[in-house]
Amino acid sequence: AQSVTQLDSQVPVFEEAPVELRCNYSSSVSVYLFWYVQYPNQGLQLLLKYLSGSTLVKGINGFEAEFNKSQTSFHLRKPSVHISDTAEYFCAVKVGTGTALIFGKGTTLSVSS
Amino acid sequence: DTEVTQTPKHLVMGMTNKKSLKCEQHMGHRAMYWYKQKAKKPPELMFVYSYEKLSINESVPSRFSPECPNSSLLNLHLHALQPEDSALYLCASSQTNAYGYTFGSGTRLTVV
Repeated sequence: AQSVTQLDSQVPVFEEAPVELRCNYSSSVSVYLFWYVQYPNQGLQLLLKYLSGSTLVKGINGFEAEFNKSQTSFHLRKPSVHISDTAEYFCAVKVGTGTALIFGKGTTLSVSS
Repeated sequence: DTEVTQTPKHLVMGMTNKKSLKCEQHMGHRAMYWYKQKAKKPPELMFVYSYEKLSINESVPSRFSPECPNSSLLNLHLHALQPEDSALYLCASSQTNAYGYTFGSGTRLTVV
């Protein structure tokens, strides 16, 4: 069975600093990987996804992620964060097209001035 | 229309009440999902509907009863809930056999 591990439960950073949120997955077959963001009292918004092709994926709000098959990782990065990036970030995995999305436990990104 | 609309946004119900959550999308998606999310936790899959048929039930208690009346609408009927069922209930949809989901903003349910 597939699973996804988010290595940091909380990441505090200062405004305009770079950030990396780490995500590792386990699956013996090809996977599709996603990052979602959830602002307080809201639903989930898709930041970016890796389906195939280029391993560097660019998303909304200046985020990007790199798929690394040998390390089974899909880390999310942003070169300069804003206060408004404060939110919960979920990495998610899907194996094949007929299965449902499975989420990691989430990483709370707290950006302060 | 690229949204999933969930109503109501907030619901408070007693343990003997019967209520329903509603989810609607007009993107032509033929797969729809219910997730439950407790505070500070990730969403947990409850049900999957594909072409209006229930395809996955993640061992959810029978006090939760899903219904898919048509391809645009998904309901979750609630009866005799417990306080521990208080959570954010998220609906999502996707193209069948596709990859990304579109989520609604959720219904925050409180059972008293």
